[in-house]
Amino acid sequence: NAGVTQTPKFQVLKTGQSMTLQCAQDMNHEYMSWYRQDPGMGLRLIHYSVGAGITDQGEVPNGYNVSRSTTEDFPLRLLSAAPSQTSVYFCASASLGDKRNSPLHFGNGTRLTVT
Amino acid sequence: ILNVEQSPQSLHVQEGDSTNFTCSFPSSNFYALHWYRWETAKSPEALFVMTLNGDEKKKGRISATLNTKEGYSYLYIKGSQPEDSATYLCAFGWTGANNLFFGTGTRLTVIP
Repeated sequence: NAGVTQTPKFQVLKTGQSMTLQCAQDMNHEYMSWYRQDPGMGLRLIHYSVGAGITDQGEVPNGYNVSRSTTEDFPLRLLSAAPSQTSVYFCASASLGDKRNSPLHFGNGTRLTVT
Repeated sequence: ILNVEQSPQSLHVQEGDSTNFTCSFPSSNFYALHWYRWETAKSPEALFVMTLNGDEKKKGRISATLNTKEGYSYLYIKGSQPEDSATYLCAFGWTGANNLFFGTGTRLTVIP
């Protein structure tokens, strides 16, 4: 049972480069989300989705795009990387449409450095 | 953005000691309170989801209580073991937003 799979685990980008962080889950969860973890701060929500074709912004959406074409996949795109986007990124999913009541299942994280 | 505070930020306890930490959150428009355990080099794993004032949950030596009227939750670990060493995160869900707000965590180190 793979759960939530994130790739890559590590990535170094130069300022201005673009890239996509991949996230896939095999639990048929409707809800998927992306968080970033920065030192001294709690996990902050970037974008989330409650089903295929539906996405919405979280607390810190600027500089990131998402799409949800299938239930399983929820990629996060950095259009033009900036040093402020250096962080650890987590993808998380949950069953049901209201993840406030359902526990989140996290991927193993992607450590991104932008130079 | 809502303020979710956890205390202490970190603590060290001896193996066998019992310990507890606090998560404070806004007392209005409460919907749910989550606890997660996050071991180094791993991803956060859910411990409890609580939704009702007075909820008490237990999993082995770990338990949690919830007071929504005053806006706090306690996590208790009885007889701490080295494998309990981790960061414990709480996350608050409220009726005004479709997402969770995480605290910065309590980092627990259990000394053998």
